[in-house]
Amino acid sequence: GQNIDQPTEMTATEGAIVQINCTYQTSGFNGLFWYQQHAGEAPTFLSYNVLDGLEEKGRFSSFLSRSKGYSYLLLKELQMKDSASYLCAVMDSNYQLIWGAGTKLIIKP
Amino acid sequence: GAVVSQHPSRVICKSGTSVKIECRSLDFQATTMFWYRQFPKQSLMLMATSNEGSKATYEQGVEKDKFLINHASLTLSTLTVTSAHPEDSSFYICSARDISGLYNEQFFGPGTRLTVL
Repeated sequence: GQNIDQPTEMTATEGAIVQINCTYQTSGFNGLFWYQQHAGEAPTFLSYNVLDGLEEKGRFSSFLSRSKGYSYLLLKELQMKDSASYLCAVMDSNYQLIWGAGTKLIIKP
Repeated sequence: GAVVSQHPSRVICKSGTSVKIECRSLDFQATTMFWYRQFPKQSLMLMATSNEGSKATYEQGVEKDKFLINHASLTLSTLTVTSAHPEDSSFYICSARDISGLYNEQFFGPGTRLTVL
C-alpha cells in the first residue's frame, strides 16, 4: 500500500531551526510537495522536490533522497506565524497526490 | 501563484437540504480539479477527481450519488452535497492543477466549512 509518515506534532522556539521529516512508500514517484496549512485555512504550496538534494527558498529548505524514500522540510529563524501544520505529499505514478497526516508545529516565544 | 476561489466560504443548513459549492480557477485553465474533505485535526481526504467534460472519479467509500460533481468548463467545478446530514459537516476544499505550471502542483481554494444542523 501507499504510505506517508511524518511526526504528529513538534515544538520549537522562536528564532530557532526545526526539521520536519517525511518518509514515504508509494507506487511510483513524480515528486514530493510540502504544503503549509494554518488552522481553518486551505493548504498553501511551499516546495517541490523531484531530484535528490536540497532546494532552498528563503527561510525554508526542502531535501529529498529518493533512494531512502525520505524528505525533510527545514525552517530557519522561526517566527510565531510559522505555527501551522505542514503537510508532506507525494505524487505517485498516476500523478495523484498521496497526503501525509501533517505535522503540527508549535512555536513558543 | 495561480488563484483558486471557492464559494461559499461557510454554510449552515438544515438536515435533508442540498448544498452546492463552487470552485473556480481564476487565472488559469484547470482540466483537472480535486475535491477534498478534512475533519478537525485530520489530514486531507481526497473525495474525487474531476476532469473537465467527463465524469468524476470517486475514491473508494465516497458515494457518487450523494456528492455530485460537475466540471462543465475549464475554470469551474461544483460539488453538491445532496440531502446533507450532520455527519457531512466538514471542511471541504477544492484544488486545481495548473498543467502549465512549473511543478504541476495543485493550488487550493480557501475551503468551505459546512455545518449541517
